[in-house]
Amino acid sequence: NAGVTQTPKFRVLKTGQSMTLLCAQDMNHEYMYWYRQDPGMGLRLIHYSVGEGTTAKGEVPDGYNVSRLKKQNFLLGLESAAPSQTSVYFCASIHPRTPNEQYFGPGTRLTVT
Amino acid sequence: GEDVEQSLFLSVREGDSSVINCTYTDSSSTYLYWYKQEPGAGLQLLTYIFSNMDMKQDQRLTVLLNKKDKHLSLRIADTQTGDSAIYFCAEKGTGTASKLTFGTGTRLQVTL
Repeated sequence: NAGVTQTPKFRVLKTGQSMTLLCAQDMNHEYMYWYRQDPGMGLRLIHYSVGEGTTAKGEVPDGYNVSRLKKQNFLLGLESAAPSQTSVYFCASIHPRTPNEQYFGPGTRLTVT
Repeated sequence: GEDVEQSLFLSVREGDSSVINCTYTDSSSTYLYWYKQEPGAGLQLLTYIFSNMDMKQDQRLTVLLNKKDKHLSLRIADTQTGDSAIYFCAEKGTGTASKLTFGTGTRLQVTL
């Protein structure tokens, strides 16, 4: 049981490049989330999903897209990276029957130059 | 929208108690959480408290909730060097999807 995994762990992009961050969970969780963590700002919710095939915007969705084609995977895409998207990205998941146990992945550190 | 605030830094000596404070604005919060983040790692849930409770104790951890003042605190008894980390307060409102609003995090430094 691997929990929540994220790929890649580190990435450096040039402005304008695109990339996809992958989050995978093997706990059969319905709900999944993408957050970004910036110094002095805590975690902010980018997008979330309450089930396969559904996604919704969080607090800071601009510049990002997501997809949840399979229940176990939640993808975060950057179509045209900007320096303001330099951050650490965390994925999390929960099962609605145990909503007080939110499991986090180890994070992806992204630098956009 | 909801707002959660914490002080940025706390330094304590090993063996002393640490108290990390948090204030929030959402009066409809149902649950409040404390997470721990060690360097280079994700967040780990430490404990949580339901909004109709005043206190919760779990081994060295004590959570106090003052709902009237919207103030939450985490006390760590007998603080150890392994407790050095960033501690995040988070609240969950009544909305769907169990979304959390996080505070800015408090970096706890434990000195010998």
